[in-house]
Amino acid sequence: NAGVMQNPRHLVRRRGQEARLRCSPMKGHSHVYWYRQLPEEGLKFMVYLQKENIIDESGMPKERFSAEFPKEGPSILRIQQVVRGDSAAYFCASSAQIALSRGLGDEQFFGPGTRLTVL
Amino acid sequence: DAKTTQPPSMDCAEGRAANLPCNHSTISGNEYVYWYRQIHSQGPQYIIHGLKNNETNEMASLIITEDRKSSTLILPHATLRDTAVYYCIVRPGGGGSQGNLIFGKGTKLSVKP
Repeated sequence: NAGVMQNPRHLVRRRGQEARLRCSPMKGHSHVYWYRQLPEEGLKFMVYLQKENIIDESGMPKERFSAEFPKEGPSILRIQQVVRGDSAAYFCASSAQIALSRGLGDEQFFGPGTRLTVL
Repeated sequence: DAKTTQPPSMDCAEGRAANLPCNHSTISGNEYVYWYRQIHSQGPQYIIHGLKNNETNEMASLIITEDRKSSTLILPHATLRDTAVYYCIVRPGGGGSQGNLIFGKGTKLSVKP
């Protein structure tokens, strides 16, 4: 049972280019979360998606950042016109359908991350 | 902001139990206590979670006080590979629109030989 997959693991972009980060959730998981970890800082929530829907994007910058989770294929985090401040580790997590009683089944499982470096 | 308070760092001798405390005095009745850890440069790893009863799995035990204002994560026999930053997080159970995890600074556990 493969875990959460992210690719690429390392991505180098020059200022002004676009970065596309991909996340394949665990089999059977329909919820995807994206987090960002700046150097020497904690993880910060960015966006929460279900298939074809953005549920919560309160942590995502209003400009240049977008996310999608299509019916088929991986979730994509897209950063347009990257700047040096976008350099960070971007982690994706997935969870199964929520359970209503003990919260079982909604644990988030994280991928290995994509380390973005903007030159 | 994180709703939890943890010591910034702790040391533990290899083979001994590691007891990591967490204060969550403002926890609500529908909020669970979750623990994750992040080994250097890797993605966070889920450890355990609970509501009010103590919980145990193959990785750790979680002891929650009766008033639910604090908890302790116990790694019964710490190994060098348990060296990591441990995060205590409170959130509503069931995920959904409140499902995102709010990470604080965590406790950096160093297991020493």
